Parts: sequence; structure tokens; C-alpha cells
Amino acid sequence: TQLLEQSPQFLSIQEGENLTVYCNSSSVFSSLQWYRQEPGEGPVLLVTVVTGGEVKKLKRLTFQFGDARKDSSLHITAAQTGDTGLYLCAGGEYGNKLVFGAGTILRVKS
Amino acid sequence: DAGVTQSPTHLIKTRGQQVTLRCSPKSGHDTVSWYQQALGQGPQFIFQYYEEEERQRGNFPDRFSGHQFPNYSSELNVNALLLGDSALYLCASSGYRDYEQYFGPGTRLTVT
Repeated sequence: TQLLEQSPQFLSIQEGENLTVYCNSSSVFSSLQWYRQEPGEGPVLLVTVVTGGEVKKLKRLTFQFGDARKDSSLHITAAQTGDTGLYLCAGGEYGNKLVFGAGTILRVKS
Repeated sequence: DAGVTQSPTHLIKTRGQQVTLRCSPKSGHDTVSWYQQALGQGPQFIFQYYEEEERQRGNFPDRFSGHQFPNYSSELNVNALLLGDSALYLCASSGYRDYEQYFGPGTRLTVT
């Protein structure tokens, strides 16, 4: 059974601070997706990484896929209140099911 | 370009009843996957449909069944509802060989 562990489970920070969320597994995945979810809504895809060691940047968000394709991290620089939400990582094979972590709840206070 | 749509938005059912949830995929997508998300947890894979056939199935009982239509839309059926079936049901669409899956807004099912 493939499992993804996310840490921390909950993060509460002040606006302007930096943060990193981690996603770890004992299994190798062909791809790793990061999603952001608002309460009562569906997850919104932020990024997909497929190559070991790959780094992608999306404005203030930086995503990294581990060299062995078993782990990933999401770093947010200068967090804003609009970044508040549930961040989910999901591993998968192309065309196949996604295995999700339990998520990291981020709260950014003004 | 319309994204993934789901109906209904909310649903309240009684234990033992049956429910049908509907999903229309994003334009250009031919594969639909269904997920169950319990409160405070990540989504759990139920099954995936491609070419009107169930291609993969997660660890869910036979009470959960589905269907895909020629226009790629899909239904999720749950029979003999249990209290534990209360959750947000998410539909995701993709191309069959794509990594990315795009999610709809979900259907909130409450079983009383």
C-alpha cells in the first residue's frame, strides 16, 4: 500500500513569514501533484512534478521533487492571508489513481 | 471552457437509502475518477472510468458502483447507505495518459 505522509499537519504563521510543507513516502511515484483546497470545495491543482530533483516555481511558491521521487516539498515565501487553506500532496502514475496525503492546514494571520 | 461540474451540491439521505451523484468532465478529457474525502482527511480513491469501463478500483465495497456514458460523463451510485458514507465526494477528470487530474467542486453527502 502506497502512503504519503505530510508534515506539519497544521501551521499558523504571521503574514510575511516563510514556510515549508513536506510530503514523504517509502514508495516511488512517477509524478507528484500539489493541490490547494478551500473548505467545502474541490482541490485546485497547483503544480505537477515528474522528474527526480525537479524544482518548479509559481510566483511565491517553490515546489521540489526529491531525487529518488519519494518525497516533495512546498515552500512559500512571504506568506499572505490569501494563502490560507488546506495543502494536499498526491502521488501517482500517469493515467492512474492518485494517492493523497492527509494534508497540511495553513493559516496565515494578518 | 467549463471545468469539471458535479451535481447535486449537497444531499441528505437516510441510512439504507441509495444515492446517485453525477459528474461532467472538463472539455477534452475522457477519464473520470471518483474520490471520497472524509472530514479532516485527504481524498481516497474509489474508482476510475475510461471508455465506459471501470479501469481501477480502490478499497471500497461493492455498494459503491459507477457508470460512464458515451459523452464521458459519469455517475457514482452508493447503495445501502451507512452513516460512515457521509463525506465530500469528488470527481476528477483527465486524459487517460495524463498525470494531472482536475477536480470538481464536490458533492457533500450527509447520511442520517
